[in-house]
Amino acid sequence: GQQLNQSPQSMFIQEGEDVSMNCTSSSIFNTWLWYKQDPGEGPVLLIALYKAGELTSNGRLTAQFGITRKDSFLNISASIPSDVGIYFCAGPDGNKLVFGAGTILRVKS
Amino acid sequence: SQTIHQWPATLVQPVGSPLSLECTVEGTSNPNLYWYRQAAGRGLQLLFYSVGIGQISSEVPQNLSASRPQDRQFILSSKKLLLSDSGFYLCAWSNPGEAFFGQGTRLTVV
Repeated sequence: GQQLNQSPQSMFIQEGEDVSMNCTSSSIFNTWLWYKQDPGEGPVLLIALYKAGELTSNGRLTAQFGITRKDSFLNISASIPSDVGIYFCAGPDGNKLVFGAGTILRVKS
Repeated sequence: SQTIHQWPATLVQPVGSPLSLECTVEGTSNPNLYWYRQAAGRGLQLLFYSVGIGQISSEVPQNLSASRPQDRQFILSSKKLLLSDSGFYLCAWSNPGEAFFGQGTRLTVV
């Protein structure tokens, strides 16, 4: 099956800093999804991308679907304490949804 | 609107006891349904998925089984729990495309 490589594994940043994380695959994906998981809860969909080159924003979050369809990135601008959590990229592999290993984000206030 | 319910939220079970976790979806028809397990707050391991009633695909050989007795009901079971079955279990649905998750069940096997 397809695999997604997500980096970095973790980040510890100062409040107000911008954050960037990415996801790569050896195979082409037709959809890229970004999720955030708060501690003890299920992941929540942040942004969905459907077209190569697509750039989509959701508040302080911006995500792009790489032109090769093998990568995607998520940026968070001006981080705040509630941005803490685990961020996952995901993409469909047939009827399954494949997830990256996640990026743990910690914010110092 | 669509909603997904997963229960219980937490569960402590002794080794060797049975398990039944239930997940139901409302507001959609014929969804794809998924069970994931998450250990130590990191990656999501796909355990089972289902594209229709009675259709179950297993991703990882293990001590667990899944069933889909109704279109919007997905059950995760075990006849005898092992210590290694402890973890955070998540149910999700898609139609297809984006997946939406339940709140999760924290299972501790003691």
